[in-house]
Amino acid sequence: DTAVSQTPKYLVTQMGNDKSIKCEQNLGHDTMYWYKQDSKKFLKIMFSYNNKELIINETVPNRFSPKSPDKAHLNLHINSLELGDSAVYFCASSQGTGFDSPLHFGNGTRLTVT
Amino acid sequence: AQSVTQPDIHITVSEGASLELRCNYSYGATPYLFWYVQSPGQGLQLLLKYFSGDTLVQGIKGFEAEFKRSQSSFNLRKPSVHWSDAAEYFCAVGAKGSARQLTFGSGTQLTVLP
Repeated sequence: DTAVSQTPKYLVTQMGNDKSIKCEQNLGHDTMYWYKQDSKKFLKIMFSYNNKELIINETVPNRFSPKSPDKAHLNLHINSLELGDSAVYFCASSQGTGFDSPLHFGNGTRLTVT
Repeated sequence: AQSVTQPDIHITVSEGASLELRCNYSYGATPYLFWYVQSPGQGLQLLLKYFSGDTLVQGIKGFEAEFKRSQSSFNLRKPSVHWSDAAEYFCAVGAKGSARQLTFGSGTQLTVLP
């Protein structure tokens, strides 16, 4: 009964490929996020969706495209993968968009681009 | 824009010893402050948060943190560390009025010796 689940856990691929990471939450939350954690452990927000609407879109290359088919799912598609995309990607969710709604994180997807 | 500094990359303590992890933030007004913990292979879990009011906040797992406006600090403490506390700890700051964006520090890795 994992609250926020991401698949796959590990993803190894070559430069230039296109890949997707899936995220699902069973908490009934309205808001979902994608975060990127780089090799130095810095965690930075990439996107946020509220009720399937994009509300946060940080300076991320347009090779990254989030898709939210419904409130419980937020997938991340990455085109033309580059070496610098190697990182751990975390999905998260929260009930609302305010800071009083704690974030619930998935266990992360470790992406390695060779 | 807000920023967070965690001066200690790695801290080692013996089990049963007290712990203090440092966090300094930069923001013009009173921020929202958070501490998260990340166990190996896991997502981040919220330990505690400060929004306003009492500057000493209690969290889960016996942790507490104190907001000191004069020092722009929000240090995390625990009186007696358990081996299961070994993990990565992240301080984060949110700016009021922002679109629900947290800025995370680079983390402090805690090792607990038996």
